Amino acid sequence: EAQVTQNPRYLITVTGKKLTVTCSQNMNHEYMSWYRQDPGLGLRQIYYSMNVEVTDKGDVPEGYKVSRKEKRNFPLILESPSPNQTSLYFCASAGQGTTGELFFGEGSRLTVL
Amino acid sequence: QKEVEQNSGPLSVPEGAIASLNCTYSDRGSQSFFWYRQYSGKSPELIMFIYSNGDKEDGRFTAQLNKASQYVSLLIRDSQPSDSATYLCAVNMSGGSQGNLIFGKGTKLSVKP
Repeated sequence: EAQVTQNPRYLITVTGKKLTVTCSQNMNHEYMSWYRQDPGLGLRQIYYSMNVEVTDKGDVPEGYKVSRKEKRNFPLILESPSPNQTSLYFCASAGQGTTGELFFGEGSRLTVL
Repeated sequence: QKEVEQNSGPLSVPEGAIASLNCTYSDRGSQSFFWYRQYSGKSPELIMFIYSNGDKEDGRFTAQLNKASQYVSLLIRDSQPSDSATYLCAVNMSGGSQGNLIFGKGTKLSVKP
Protein backbone atom coordinates (compact mmCIF):
# COMPACT_ATOMS: atom_id res chain seq x y z
CA GLU A 1 0.00 0.00 0.00
CA ALA A 2 1.31 3.43 -1.00
CA GLN A 3 1.79 5.49 2.12
CA VAL A 4 3.68 8.10 4.06
CA THR A 5 4.50 6.94 7.59
CA GLN A 6 5.30 9.25 10.46
CA ASN A 7 6.50 8.36 13.95
CA PRO A 8 5.74 9.04 16.68
CA ARG A 9 2.08 9.89 16.21
CA TYR A 10 1.83 11.46 19.63
CA LEU A 11 4.59 12.81 21.84
CA ILE A 12 4.76 14.85 25.02
CA THR A 13 8.21 16.12 25.84
CA VAL A 14 9.92 18.85 27.83
CA THR A 15 11.70 22.00 26.78
CA GLY A 16 15.21 21.41 25.51
CA LYS A 17 15.05 17.65 25.05
CA LYS A 18 16.09 16.86 21.49
CA LEU A 19 13.65 14.84 19.46
CA THR A 20 13.29 13.46 15.97
CA VAL A 21 10.08 12.82 14.07
CA THR A 22 10.65 10.26 11.35
CA CYS A 23 8.96 10.24 7.96
CA SER A 24 9.18 7.51 5.38
CA GLN A 25 7.44 7.06 2.02
CA ASN A 26 7.27 3.94 -0.15
CA MET A 27 6.27 5.60 -3.44
CA ASN A 28 9.78 6.49 -4.67
CA HIS A 29 8.82 10.17 -4.55
CA GLU A 30 11.46 12.80 -5.17
CA TYR A 31 9.75 15.60 -3.27
CA MET A 32 9.15 15.55 0.47
CA SER A 33 8.04 18.28 2.83
CA TRP A 34 7.21 19.02 6.46
CA TYR A 35 4.32 21.19 7.59
CA ARG A 36 3.03 22.32 10.92
CA GLN A 37 -0.62 23.12 11.47
CA ASP A 38 -1.89 25.44 14.18
CA PRO A 39 -5.45 26.72 14.78
CA GLY A 40 -6.17 29.77 12.65
CA LEU A 41 -2.80 29.61 10.88
CA GLY A 42 -3.38 26.75 8.47
CA LEU A 43 -0.63 24.54 7.08
CA ARG A 44 2.76 26.21 7.16
CA GLN A 45 5.76 24.69 5.43
CA ILE A 46 8.83 24.10 7.58
CA TYR A 47 11.32 22.51 5.18
CA TYR A 48 11.16 20.71 1.90
CA SER A 49 13.43 18.50 -0.17
CA MET A 50 13.40 18.11 -3.92
CA ASN A 51 15.63 15.04 -3.86
CA VAL A 52 18.38 13.27 -1.93
CA GLU A 53 20.81 15.73 -0.31
CA VAL A 54 18.72 18.70 -1.53
CA THR A 55 16.79 20.55 1.17
CA ASP A 56 15.48 24.07 1.51
CA LYS A 57 13.71 26.26 4.03
CA GLY A 58 9.99 26.79 3.95
CA ASP A 59 8.09 29.57 5.67
CA VAL A 60 8.80 28.65 9.30
CA PRO A 61 12.17 26.85 9.53
CA GLU A 62 13.43 28.36 12.81
CA GLY A 63 14.11 25.76 15.47
CA TYR A 64 14.01 22.82 13.05
CA LYS A 65 16.51 20.78 11.06
CA VAL A 66 16.05 18.17 8.37
CA SER A 67 18.17 15.77 6.39
CA ARG A 68 17.60 13.72 3.25
CA LYS A 69 20.23 11.02 3.08
CA GLU A 70 17.93 8.48 1.46
CA LYS A 71 15.11 9.04 -0.99
CA ARG A 72 12.47 7.42 1.19
CA ASN A 73 13.27 9.15 4.51
CA PHE A 74 12.98 12.77 5.60
CA PRO A 75 13.32 13.15 9.38
CA LEU A 76 12.44 16.36 11.21
CA ILE A 77 14.75 17.24 14.07
CA LEU A 78 13.99 19.57 16.94
CA GLU A 79 17.36 20.19 18.58
CA SER A 80 16.00 22.12 21.57
CA PRO A 81 12.21 22.07 21.54
CA SER A 82 10.28 24.98 23.01
CA PRO A 83 6.59 25.29 23.93
CA ASN A 84 5.89 27.35 20.78
CA GLN A 85 6.71 24.22 18.77
CA THR A 86 3.67 22.47 20.23
CA SER A 87 1.72 21.67 17.08
CA LEU A 88 0.38 19.07 14.69
CA TYR A 89 3.05 18.08 12.19
CA PHE A 90 2.53 16.56 8.77
CA CYS A 91 5.02 15.02 6.41
CA ALA A 92 4.08 14.85 2.74
CA SER A 93 5.56 13.62 -0.52
CA ALA A 94 5.00 14.02 -4.25
CA GLY A 95 6.42 12.43 -7.35
CA GLN A 96 7.90 14.04 -10.46
CA GLY A 97 5.86 13.69 -13.62
CA THR A 98 2.66 13.13 -11.68
CA THR A 99 -0.35 15.30 -11.01
CA GLY A 100 1.67 17.12 -8.37
CA GLU A 101 -0.61 15.80 -5.66
CA LEU A 102 0.85 15.81 -2.19
CA PHE A 103 0.41 12.60 -0.20
CA PHE A 104 0.25 13.22 3.53
CA GLY A 105 1.26 11.17 6.51
CA GLU A 106 -1.20 10.72 9.37
CA GLY A 107 0.33 13.50 11.42
CA SER A 108 2.35 13.75 14.62
CA ARG A 109 0.90 15.66 17.53
CA LEU A 110 3.72 17.14 19.57
CA THR A 111 3.37 18.82 22.95
CA VAL A 112 6.36 20.58 24.48
CA LEU A 113 5.98 21.40 28.18
CA GLN B 1 4.54 37.09 -1.31
CA LYS B 2 2.67 34.25 -2.98
CA GLU B 3 -0.66 33.78 -1.25
CA VAL B 4 -3.78 31.68 -1.35
CA GLU B 5 -6.86 33.18 0.27
CA GLN B 6 -9.98 31.41 1.50
CA ASN B 7 -12.93 32.51 3.59
CA SER B 8 -12.41 30.78 6.94
CA GLY B 9 -16.13 30.22 7.48
CA PRO B 10 -17.76 28.45 9.06
CA LEU B 11 -19.99 27.87 6.07
CA SER B 12 -23.20 26.22 7.13
CA VAL B 13 -25.54 24.55 4.64
CA PRO B 14 -28.52 22.23 5.08
CA GLU B 15 -28.29 18.61 4.04
CA GLY B 16 -28.99 18.21 0.33
CA ALA B 17 -27.99 21.76 -0.58
CA ILE B 18 -25.07 22.90 -2.72
CA ALA B 19 -22.01 24.07 -0.83
CA SER B 20 -19.80 26.59 -2.63
CA LEU B 21 -16.22 27.07 -1.50
CA ASN B 22 -14.02 29.79 -2.97
CA CYS B 23 -10.32 30.47 -3.25
CA THR B 24 -8.21 33.22 -4.79
CA TYR B 25 -4.49 33.16 -5.45
CA SER B 26 -1.92 35.86 -6.01
CA ASP B 27 0.39 34.38 -8.68
CA ARG B 28 -1.02 34.76 -12.17
CA GLY B 29 1.44 32.17 -13.48
CA SER B 30 0.10 29.38 -11.25
CA GLN B 31 -0.35 26.11 -13.10
CA SER B 32 -2.14 23.56 -10.95
CA PHE B 33 -4.81 23.73 -8.30
CA PHE B 34 -5.93 21.28 -5.67
CA TRP B 35 -8.76 20.87 -3.20
CA TYR B 36 -8.11 18.85 -0.05
CA ARG B 37 -10.59 17.82 2.62
CA GLN B 38 -9.43 17.60 6.21
CA TYR B 39 -11.40 16.18 9.10
CA SER B 40 -10.49 17.47 12.55
CA GLY B 41 -7.18 16.02 13.73
CA LYS B 42 -6.70 14.01 10.52
CA SER B 43 -4.46 14.48 7.54
CA PRO B 44 -5.59 16.29 4.39
CA GLU B 45 -6.89 14.07 1.60
CA LEU B 46 -7.13 15.09 -2.05
CA ILE B 47 -10.61 15.60 -3.46
CA MET B 48 -9.84 17.12 -6.83
CA PHE B 49 -7.18 18.78 -8.92
CA ILE B 50 -7.66 21.05 -11.92
CA TYR B 51 -5.24 22.52 -14.43
CA SER B 52 -7.37 24.07 -17.17
CA ASN B 53 -9.90 26.88 -17.18
CA GLY B 54 -13.47 25.71 -16.83
CA ASP B 55 -15.21 23.03 -14.86
CA LYS B 56 -14.12 19.57 -13.80
CA GLU B 57 -16.66 17.21 -12.31
CA ASP B 58 -16.16 14.11 -10.17
CA GLY B 59 -19.29 12.67 -8.65
CA ARG B 60 -20.87 15.26 -6.35
CA PHE B 61 -17.83 17.54 -6.61
CA THR B 62 -17.14 20.17 -9.26
CA ALA B 63 -14.00 22.27 -9.37
CA GLN B 64 -14.10 25.52 -11.33
CA LEU B 65 -11.04 27.45 -12.46
CA ASN B 66 -10.82 30.97 -13.85
CA LYS B 67 -7.19 31.89 -14.38
CA ALA B 68 -7.99 35.40 -15.63
CA SER B 69 -9.69 36.17 -12.33
CA GLN B 70 -7.20 34.04 -10.35
CA TYR B 71 -10.09 32.21 -8.80
CA VAL B 72 -10.82 28.57 -8.12
CA SER B 73 -13.91 27.12 -6.50
CA LEU B 74 -15.32 23.83 -5.30
CA LEU B 75 -19.00 22.98 -5.47
CA ILE B 76 -20.41 20.11 -3.46
CA ARG B 77 -23.83 19.00 -4.63
CA ASP B 78 -26.31 17.15 -2.43
CA SER B 79 -24.23 17.97 0.65
CA GLN B 80 -24.15 15.31 3.35
CA PRO B 81 -23.31 15.61 7.06
CA SER B 82 -20.21 13.51 6.30
CA ASP B 83 -18.99 16.40 4.12
CA SER B 84 -18.57 18.49 7.26
CA ALA B 85 -14.84 19.21 7.34
CA THR B 86 -12.29 21.89 6.56
CA TYR B 87 -11.55 22.31 2.85
CA LEU B 88 -8.09 23.44 1.86
CA CYS B 89 -7.28 25.08 -1.43
CA ALA B 90 -3.70 24.53 -2.62
CA VAL B 91 -1.84 26.03 -5.55
CA ASN B 92 1.38 25.12 -7.31
CA MET B 93 2.63 28.56 -8.22
CA SER B 94 4.98 29.48 -11.05
CA GLY B 95 8.52 28.38 -10.39
CA GLY B 96 7.37 25.83 -7.85
CA SER B 97 8.53 22.25 -8.10
CA GLN B 98 6.11 19.37 -8.30
CA GLY B 99 4.49 19.07 -4.89
CA ASN B 100 5.57 22.47 -3.58
CA LEU B 101 2.06 23.69 -2.88
CA ILE B 102 0.93 26.88 -1.19
CA PHE B 103 -2.11 26.23 1.00
CA GLY B 104 -4.93 28.51 2.01
CA LYS B 105 -5.99 28.47 5.64
CA GLY B 106 -9.09 26.48 4.82
CA THR B 107 -12.85 26.93 4.94
CA LYS B 108 -14.75 25.03 7.58
CA LEU B 109 -17.95 23.52 6.20
CA SER B 110 -20.82 22.36 8.38
CA VAL B 111 -23.68 20.40 6.82
CA LYS B 112 -26.74 20.35 9.04
CA PRO B 113 -29.07 17.31 8.92
